[in-house]
Amino acid sequence: AQSVTQPDIHITVSEGASLELRCNYSYGATPYLFWYVQSPGQGLQLLLKYFSGDTLVQGIKGFEAEFKRSQSSFNLRKPSVHWSDAAEYFCAVGRSGTYKYIFGTGTRLKVLA
Amino acid sequence: GAGVSQSPSNKVTEKGKDVELRCDPISGHTALYWYRQRLGQGLEFLIYFQGNSAPDKSGLPSDRFSAERTGESVSTLTIQRTQQEDSAVYLCASRQMRDRERYNEQFFGPGTRLTVL
Repeated sequence: AQSVTQPDIHITVSEGASLELRCNYSYGATPYLFWYVQSPGQGLQLLLKYFSGDTLVQGIKGFEAEFKRSQSSFNLRKPSVHWSDAAEYFCAVGRSGTYKYIFGTGTRLKVLA
Repeated sequence: GAGVSQSPSNKVTEKGKDVELRCDPISGHTALYWYRQRLGQGLEFLIYFQGNSAPDKSGLPSDRFSAERTGESVSTLTIQRTQQEDSAVYLCASRQMRDRERYNEQFFGPGTRLTVL
């Protein structure tokens, strides 16, 4: 069955520290991968996406993610977290030829001043 | 330009009442999605529209849930005889389908927070 796993429900980091949010997927075909951010009371905003090519993708707000096929992972990273990054982060997977996305359950990030 | 809008932003209703949630997608976006997000959980797919056709209603949790779309514009999600377990944020997203890039970004609305007392 197709699935997306975000093993960390909550993560707390200090402002200025580095961040890595984990995402693992189970998908038969080559996936399309996405990270979204949801601030309180807001809809989801796309941070970055991977379709093909370079496995390290850059996104908005200084985020990047690396697709590792051998590990079925697409972890999100940021070298230095800002207080405004506190939000919920969702990993999602899709596939060429279909319209449906599967979302992980999210990771809530708290940033300490 | 205008993004996806949803109304109302908040809705409090009594158990057993019907509710209608509205989504205005981005102009020109042919695909439209409804999702449900329960507290502390991820997004649960409800229904997908391509134009005004709904080829996939598989996510609708019961026959109390229905949705329609007028052309390639407004969509309405209706929940009849609401139950407390229907309490959630209902998110709408739209997407422009292109041949070469089937996976364009989904643009999400801010959601409607439904509370059933």
